[in-house]
Order: sequence, then structure tokens, then C-alpha cells
Amino acid sequence: RKEVEQDPGPFNVPEGATVAFNCTYSNSASQSFFWYRQDCRKEPKLLMSVYSSGNEDGRFTAQLNRASQYISLLIRDSKLSDSATYLCVVNLGRIYNQGGKLIFGQGTELSVKP
Amino acid sequence: NAGVTQTPKFQVLKTGQSMTLQCAQDMNHNSMYWYRQDPGMGLRLIYYSASEGTTDKGEVPNGYNVSRLNKREFSLRLESAAPSQTSVYFCASRPKDSIQETQYFGPGTRLLVL
Repeated sequence: RKEVEQDPGPFNVPEGATVAFNCTYSNSASQSFFWYRQDCRKEPKLLMSVYSSGNEDGRFTAQLNRASQYISLLIRDSKLSDSATYLCVVNLGRIYNQGGKLIFGQGTELSVKP
Repeated sequence: NAGVTQTPKFQVLKTGQSMTLQCAQDMNHNSMYWYRQDPGMGLRLIYYSASEGTTDKGEVPNGYNVSRLNKREFSLRLESAAPSQTSVYFCASRPKDSIQETQYFGPGTRLLVL
């Protein structure tokens, strides 16, 4: 079983749609969680951290369920510019090295059409 | 600030050739990382350096060596390139020893080994 699993997609949605991405992680000792965005042939960039209480940043909402080891990202009113691959990222904390080790999911591709 | 820079952007090698990928960051970050990204595999950690003077193996270290030259620079060397090392290589840095602090990525080096 992969340590971080995502639906690879692609998700093809019209502008204005709401789309949800799901992610599961296998290590219950995971300590922090993030969503990254990666545009085609570019480097990953942090989209948002995911907090236990859930958090929102404009049209983006992230949720964490530690009991189920599940993370989600909701994008409302999707824009053409949201087209990218979304990476679920888990930090295993201090298990492996000072400052923790990031484990990346394979990413979910989103294509927003006019 | 330039952030994280990588050179070269593209490289074509023949099997058996050697090369060094350069990475530098100007954000005074302690930790630096090298990843490779392959289709369907996500980002995989090759080596990391938690602080100047230390390096450790990641998930896929075979065929690579690294040098943490100083706090700013972290290089990745392929001594004898193989076609299996065809990939996109990303360098990243992290500001401090904190679980919540995430990583900042360079623009990547696209390597083709023939």
C-alpha cells in the first residue's frame, strides 16, 4: 500500500464547478499535512497547509480526518487557472530526520474547461 | 531573493557519462533536499541534508552522490548515468527544524539519459 494515495484523475470540469480531491495516508504517526499545486513542467508550490479543524483560503477548503487518515481539498467556483495537478503531502514528523520527511502523493490532475 | 535555483535546466547524457546538478538557495534555510519525479511515481526523495555538513539517504539513493558544499549549496552527482535515471530532478529547501514548515522547490532539471 502506498503511504499517500490519491485518485490520479484526470478530473475534467466546467468553469464554475465545485470539485473535491481526496487523499488517504497510511502512517498514523503523520504530523502535518499540505496540499501542493504543480503546473505542467513546473515545480510544486505550496497551496495550503491542512489543519485539524479544517481551514479555508478563498475558494479552497482543506479538511483533515485523523481517525480515518483522510485529507480532502475542495475547490469552489473553479477557474481556468485552477487547471494543474494537486499533490497531497504528508509530513512524518521527526521519525526519519530532523524536521521530518515529506511524502508526496502521485497527484490528481484537474482540467477546467470553458 | 531568487529562492531556490537549479542548473542546468536541461541535460542530455549518454549512458556512462557523469554530471553534477547544482542547487543553491538564498533564504538561509537549514535543510535541503533532492527529489526525482517520474510519471505515475510522484516525487521521491533521493538524498537530503538536514544542516550544513550532514547528508543522509532518502528513498532512492542508488546511483547518486551528494555534497552539501555550504549552507547555500547542495549538489547531486551522477557518476555513471543510466537510462533509468532519466527524470525531472527537483531541489528543495526548508527554513527550520519545524514540523509545520514546508519545503520550497527549485524549477527543476530535466535529464535525458540515452
